[in-house]
Amino acid sequence: KAGVTQTPRYLIKTRGQQVTLSCSPISGHRSVSWYQQTPGQGLQFLFEYFSETQRNKGNFPGRFSGRQFSNSRSEMNVSTLELGDSALYLCASSLGVHEQFFGPGTRLTVL
Amino acid sequence: GENVEQHPSTLSVQEGDSAVIKCTYSDSASNYFPWYKQELGKRPQLIIDIRSNVGEKKDQRIAVTLNKTAKHFSLHITETQPEDSAVYFCAAPKGGGNKLTFGTGTQLKVEL
Repeated sequence: KAGVTQTPRYLIKTRGQQVTLSCSPISGHRSVSWYQQTPGQGLQFLFEYFSETQRNKGNFPGRFSGRQFSNSRSEMNVSTLELGDSALYLCASSLGVHEQFFGPGTRLTVL
Repeated sequence: GENVEQHPSTLSVQEGDSAVIKCTYSDSASNYFPWYKQELGKRPQLIIDIRSNVGEKKDQRIAVTLNKTAKHFSLHITETQPEDSAVYFCAAPKGGGNKLTFGTGTQLKVEL
């Protein structure tokens, strides 16, 4: 089976812009979780979608949002970008609960 | 909320030695404990996990032990090799679903 894929792999944006990241899970997996990874804060959970519904949410501001489509592909959106949003954004897919497999990530740089 | 503490933050061992990384968690309801390995510039890879109904699990040179009473779990790597050099993260779930809280990571360096 193909692994988790994420597009784009790299993005450069300026403050105030918005960005949309995409994640395609492993075939058959219905759960997609998003994480932000930074040197200072480590790996932090953003949200999880399961069967097109948000099942869990982390402690991030409302500028961070996501959605999941009927084919389980997921997108996350960050509006009004801030310098501190520069990070590696990872998505992880799971068949059900617990075992999660990560994608390669999208490296977002906000200038 | 769920806190996961991980120690040490850096660990340097000689090739062939063993390495042990320890994590503690706070939520007694946590029932699943994965370990991820992340090489530089790569994605975190699930290397081993353990559920709360067992105390130990092994997979070749790696093993994980769980002490539910003390709320800690450990990763053990035996006969370390240079390719084991990476950052290792422990994690524990918070609530239902797949929300994981990660430890701060351990930079393992295996020296020749």
